[in-house]
Formats: sequence, C-alpha cells, structure tokens
Amino acid sequence: GENVEQHPSTLSVQEGDSAVIKCTYSDSASNYFPWYKQELGKGPQLIIDIRSNVGEKKDQRIAVTLNKTAKHFSLHITETQPEDSAVYFCAAYTGNQFYFGTGTSLTVIP
Amino acid sequence: SAVISQKPSRDICQRGTSLTIQCQVDSQVTMMFWYRQQPGQSLTLIATANQGSEATYESGFVIDKFPISRPNLTFSTLTVSNMSPEDSSIYLCSADRGSYGYTFGSGTRLTVV
Repeated sequence: GENVEQHPSTLSVQEGDSAVIKCTYSDSASNYFPWYKQELGKGPQLIIDIRSNVGEKKDQRIAVTLNKTAKHFSLHITETQPEDSAVYFCAAYTGNQFYFGTGTSLTVIP
Repeated sequence: SAVISQKPSRDICQRGTSLTIQCQVDSQVTMMFWYRQQPGQSLTLIATANQGSEATYESGFVIDKFPISRPNLTFSTLTVSNMSPEDSSIYLCSADRGSYGYTFGSGTRLTVV
C-alpha cells in the first residue's frame, strides 16, 4: 500500500518567516493530496489540496507544490502568524483510501 | 463552507459499556469514513461506510467491536462496543464533499475508565 512520510516532525519559526513542510509518497497512482491543520482539541481542518494534474496551488499565504516525478509535495506558509501554530498533516489518496503523514507540530514564535 | 457535525464531542464511559457516535453531513455524500486518532498521533482509518452496503473495515478493526450504520447519504454512526481503557482515543468521521474537499468532523474525545 501507500506510504506517506512527513518531515519535519516539529518546526519552530519566528513570526513573519516562512514555514515549509514536506511529504513523500510511494504509490504513483496517488492522485489527490490534501493538507490539514489540527488545533488542540479540534478535528483536522482542510486548508489546501492539490490534484495530480496540477503542479502548484496557492491560497493567500498558503501554497502547495507537487512533484509527481519525485513523488513529493510540500506545504508553504508565508508571513507566518502565531495563529498558524498547530499540527499539520499531509495525506495522499489512492484507490479509495487516504494515507496520512505523521504530522508536523508548527510553533510560530511572536 | 463544508460542515460535518459530530456528537458527542466528548464522553467518559465505564469499561464494558458501548458508545455510539453520530456524524451528520450537510450534503449527500457517497462515502463516509471513520478514523481513530491516539493522542499526539496521526489518523488511523477504521472503516469506510457506503450507504446501502456493509462497511469495509481495515485490518485490526472488526464489525463486532465497531459496528457502523449508514442509513442515508448524509448520516452515519460508529459504535464502540464493550469498551476498555485501550479504546480511549479521538474518533473522527469524514467525507468527500466534492468542491469543499475531503473534510472532517470536529471529533469525539472518548475516555474509558
């Protein structure tokens, strides 16, 4: 089955700096890649997603890039703010199932 | 925006009892999914629930322990049966809401004592 690896597991950045989280996947048939933000005590919130026919997608301060050849995709957060602090999960969809990364705990230091 | 309502949000239950978690989607969806998330961990798929058919369970999860109902295209329930402290976890439902993406409910935090 699919294997999704996510790095780093923890990330601290100064407010205003950029944050990058990377995920790799193993199954070339994976065709949908969402990113989730999970705050303490809440369910994962979909923040951005990308399909395999697109290389990059941007939504305000958040962007996702996909490299199908290398089988990796990344989340980019620019101009980070303290409210960006949370755990972020990547996922890859193949067949009829999602496979999740192990999560990145992002801390934005004011 | 996409709305998936899940309840209860949390519960403390005695071992040996059962808890049913409800999940309501604000639009019709073909598949609904149930996940378990241990504290500080990633998400583990329990089962996929299609309307009108038996749920499909992942390895390590069985219907007797986690019976699922899917009576219509907007609703599903997950029951955690004969609970033990090892069942303490966060349980999440999710669905593919088309243009809104694959979204999650707010989760049910279960503690078994």
